[in-house]
Amino acid sequence: EVHLVQSGTEVKKPGATVKISCKISGYSFSDYYMHWVRQAPGQGLEWVGLIDPEDHATTYSERFQGRVTITADMSTDTAYLALSGLRSEDTAVYYCTTLVGKGVFDYWGQGTLVTVSS
Amino acid sequence: QSVLTQPPSVSAAPGQKVTISCSGSTSNIGSNLVSWYQQVPGAAPKLLIFANDRRPSGIPDRFSASKSGTSATLGISGLQTGDEADYFCGTWDSGLSAGAFWVFGGGTKLSVL
Repeated sequence: EVHLVQSGTEVKKPGATVKISCKISGYSFSDYYMHWVRQAPGQGLEWVGLIDPEDHATTYSERFQGRVTITADMSTDTAYLALSGLRSEDTAVYYCTTLVGKGVFDYWGQGTLVTVSS
Repeated sequence: QSVLTQPPSVSAAPGQKVTISCSGSTSNIGSNLVSWYQQVPGAAPKLLIFANDRRPSGIPDRFSASKSGTSATLGISGLQTGDEADYFCGTWDSGLSAGAFWVFGGGTKLSVL
């Protein structure tokens, strides 16, 4: 059975950096891209970026360029999202997801709430 | 402002049918496969439709979808109160030279009155 388990709630001050983890099980980590998607309170889904765990190639949304880093650790089957220069608008639930990988392989983590507040 | 455009809300009575539209462009819907998600409050999105019109196992055939040109449509028939949720469309966008990226619609809130 496939599982994506994310790290817990984070509370950060403006300007800080947050790093969230997503540990997978039940499939081969290198077989599918890992995406990060966020959802601000009461808002829609926003794509942050992705990583190909096989070669560590990344693509980021232009909105986050320069502030976001997505990494993957093949030894622990874990993906990471780091977001720097946090501001109140970054307050959101952040999800890791395979996002219909290769057509239908669609699994989501439980979400990690990141609150940015002074 | 989302790249894909959805109506903010739709509503219909139990048992009726509703459609939700998703409008994009040639760089996203026009050239890539569309997915649809259902999200209830406090939960992660759930895949309803992939590859424009295909249902994953376990999704009832009350849910259907189609794509034409740069628009896609989700249909839900035999509405149930349990269908009340937010619905999102999504697809790849191949418009940037830096590589393809994923785009979502702004979401549509379905009310079953």
